[in-house]
Amino acid sequence: DSGVTQTPKHLITATGQRVTLRCSPRSGDLSVYWYQQSLDQGLQFLIQYYNGEERAKGNILERFSAQQFPDLHSELNLSSLELGDSALYFCASSPPGTGVNEQFFGPGTRLTVL
Amino acid sequence: GEDVEQSLFLSVREGDSSVINCTYTDSSSTYLYWYKQEPGAGLQLLTYIFSNMDMKQDQRLTVLLNKKDKHLSLRIADTQTGDSAIYFCAERRAAGNKLTFGGGTRVLVKP
Repeated sequence: DSGVTQTPKHLITATGQRVTLRCSPRSGDLSVYWYQQSLDQGLQFLIQYYNGEERAKGNILERFSAQQFPDLHSELNLSSLELGDSALYFCASSPPGTGVNEQFFGPGTRLTVL
Repeated sequence: GEDVEQSLFLSVREGDSSVINCTYTDSSSTYLYWYKQEPGAGLQLLTYIFSNMDMKQDQRLTVLLNKKDKHLSLRIADTQTGDSAIYFCAERRAAGNKLTFGGGTRVLVKP
């Protein structure tokens, strides 16, 4: 158990819908990262937040957005869902001030778009 | 992860050593990591190596880094059935904290 929690574990929805994925980082970790894992694209970095502020952006679609709240939990919002958005979405967190940047991954949310 | 490449599959007998290889393209990589993903689970950090090191050993795991060839390997000694999983290498570049992952190597350990 990494200490990172994600809810829900599974999500099944229809095309065109909007969903919110939630992540709680490990206690003391200020950074939260979102990744998408799909069969064709592999594991892709989406976005990073540090202490409430966006720090880095990767291959995140405009239909997707994220935020980190004052209590440091984070939400990833996916809208106008398409079949190709079906994937595993991981959240990771890392502690502040270490050069190593060990990222601890949550168990993931499996999104299925029908 | 088009900048980080791994072979897709490795089959090994229980008790033998496994070697998983990875190549990367960015010479500014500062840290390189190995993660393990078991079925239905998230990624678990196994080990990492700083770019100015050639080798790091951690119990059954040995990481070798050839910076000149941009080649990273993970050796698992005395491979066990519980080592069956997908192994990802990842690099962290000088600018920023994001990790770029390879496509993963599925390791199957046969009894």
